[in-house]
Amino acid sequence: SQQGEEDPQALSIQEGENATMNCSYKTSINNLQWYRQNSGRGLVHLILIRSNEREKHSGRLRVTLDTSKKSSSLLITASRAADTASYFCAIGGTASKLTFGTGTRLQVTL
Amino acid sequence: DGGITQSPKYLFRKEGQNVTLSCEQNLNHDAMYWYRQDPGQGLRLIYYSQIVNDFQKGDIAEGYSVSREKKESFPLTVTSAQKNPTAFYLCASSKGPQGALWNYGYTFGSGTRLTVV
Repeated sequence: SQQGEEDPQALSIQEGENATMNCSYKTSINNLQWYRQNSGRGLVHLILIRSNEREKHSGRLRVTLDTSKKSSSLLITASRAADTASYFCAIGGTASKLTFGTGTRLQVTL
Repeated sequence: DGGITQSPKYLFRKEGQNVTLSCEQNLNHDAMYWYRQDPGQGLRLIYYSQIVNDFQKGDIAEGYSVSREKKESFPLTVTSAQKNPTAFYLCASSKGPQGALWNYGYTFGSGTRLTVV
């Protein structure tokens, strides 16, 4: 399956702390994408990292990709209450479209 | 501003009734998608379309139908054959050449919550 599997399923941290969530996959990929979903809303695209890239940054977000281990991580630094959401990885593999994982639910408390 | 509009936000369906969910985009994207999301679950692909007048089944197409008569519009009909339609439905669109729809990020609408009453 090309579906990514996020770990942990749920994460609770305090404001100001860093949050790290991981995505593992089983097949070869062309790219891997991360999305955020606030409760009851649509998904928002955060970052796309291609298979020949190892790290990308966007503001407080850092994404790494290790194709040898078939895994990616999303780091949110200095978390805020507004970062509370579910985070999904999506695999851009050999199929014609993206395949989404089941998500990590992040809770940032004051 | 460009984006995707889904309507209605909430929809209630009686047993045996067909209902249609609307999805419109003004991003000039070629590809459009319908996903279903159940509570605490990930997204499952229902149908997708890479060009006008063409669409493909996703992983859970049974009980659903779509049309793509205009580039901007991709309505989803939930038919009476779908036995468990209560879910959150998300429409998305993207650029991307045919056969490589993973090449760009997807833009999502805000969803339609369908409930069977």
